[in-house]
Amino acid sequence: KAGVTQTPRYLIKTRGQQVTLSCSPISGHRSVSWYQQTPGQGLQFLFEYFSETQRNKGNFPGRFSGRQFSNSRSEMNVSTLELGDSALYLCASSLEYLDPEAFFGQGTRLTVV
Amino acid sequence: AQKITQTQPGMFVQEKEAVTLDCTYDTSDQSYGLFWYKQPSSGEMIFLIYQGSYDEQNATEGRYSLNFQKARKSANLVISASQLGDSAMYFCAMRGLQAAGNKLTFGGGTRVLVKP
Repeated sequence: KAGVTQTPRYLIKTRGQQVTLSCSPISGHRSVSWYQQTPGQGLQFLFEYFSETQRNKGNFPGRFSGRQFSNSRSEMNVSTLELGDSALYLCASSLEYLDPEAFFGQGTRLTVV
Repeated sequence: AQKITQTQPGMFVQEKEAVTLDCTYDTSDQSYGLFWYKQPSSGEMIFLIYQGSYDEQNATEGRYSLNFQKARKSANLVISASQLGDSAMYFCAMRGLQAAGNKLTFGGGTRVLVKP
């Protein structure tokens, strides 16, 4: 059974550009959450999707957005990149919306130069 | 609001010995889950163990056990018989199980280095 797949694994972008990250959850899982991990702020919740609907959003500016498709795959987009957006972006999948267990992918490491 | 505190930024442990990683939490939720994750240098968060707030027994998974003390709001992770491959960052996390938007709240992590 395949785990959570995040693509790409590594990304280098320039300030002002935009970026799209992808997450394919475990087969059969319908809930996807996104987290940002930085040395200074630690792990912070970005958003959570279930059944193509955003169920919860963390305290991030509107430059951070996401969506979920009918096959449960999710994408997150960051527009007008800033140096501070450099981070490891982790995606977690859960079977259902209120399922307590979450399984993470390997993350996408974004570097903004 | 939920808060997780891990007071040990880093620790050394001798191979084959046991190690306890501290975690205290604060929440107003009546029903919640507590988690421990391992993050090796590769970056992936590996799920280790889960404890529900209404579970009376402490959770165990192989060499991992969770020492859950609800009244003290602590959920310490015990790793028995440490192995070199246990060297990693360890994160305690919690999630409300009733409120809308059940996001995971993480602690700052503890870096464990197992010495041969």
